[in-house]
Amino acid sequence: QQQVKQSPQSLIVQKGGISIINCAYENTAFDYFPWYQQFPGKGPALLIAIRPDVSEKKEGRFTISFNKSAKQFSLHIMDSQPGDSATYFCAASGGAQKLVFGQGTRLTINP
Amino acid sequence: NAGVTQTPKFQVLKTGQSMTLQCAQDMNHNSMYWYRQDPGMGLRLIYYSASEGTTDKGEVPNGYNVSRLNKREFSLRLESAAPSQTSVYFCASVPTGVGGYTFGSGTRLTVV
Repeated sequence: QQQVKQSPQSLIVQKGGISIINCAYENTAFDYFPWYQQFPGKGPALLIAIRPDVSEKKEGRFTISFNKSAKQFSLHIMDSQPGDSATYFCAASGGAQKLVFGQGTRLTINP
Repeated sequence: NAGVTQTPKFQVLKTGQSMTLQCAQDMNHNSMYWYRQDPGMGLRLIYYSASEGTTDKGEVPNGYNVSRLNKREFSLRLESAAPSQTSVYFCASVPTGVGGYTFGSGTRLTVV
């Protein structure tokens, strides 16, 4: 039972380009949508999060776009850098639901 | 450094052996969680503890037990390890049940 579907599984972007990762959810009770960044051998770390009362949230080079009617949200990384190479997870929670994670996207930024 | 501490970092078990994964947080968080991470499947919730003295099953609880020893510590026990439990295990905590979790650095477990 996969309540949050993430795509693509892997992504290669040139340095300076825009990285885009997409997630779709099913449960309309979800009201918190975070993105986590994970480097090899480390635990996931909270990157940015959004609630459904706004359609976009930006923190530095990272932006979440949220489409409530389509039940979709995405992470955009502007001016992607080699240091952004990591695995990214979207997640969702709400009501009695604990955080449910997407499958993850392995992002590689080529120099 | 404040955060979530997991021990051990690596472990190899034989099928049928038991072990306990330890987790401690020093951020005075109420809620704690155990997830497992497998390739292509993201992180899946095993058990959680909304507050000291309570524990509940998550998505994949079979073969595991937990103990919320006090507000700081939340342990995960494998009573009879199976190869299907080979995974990376992460503990996480959050002040209440809502918001961004803080994760530990994980325990990589191999069951042979």
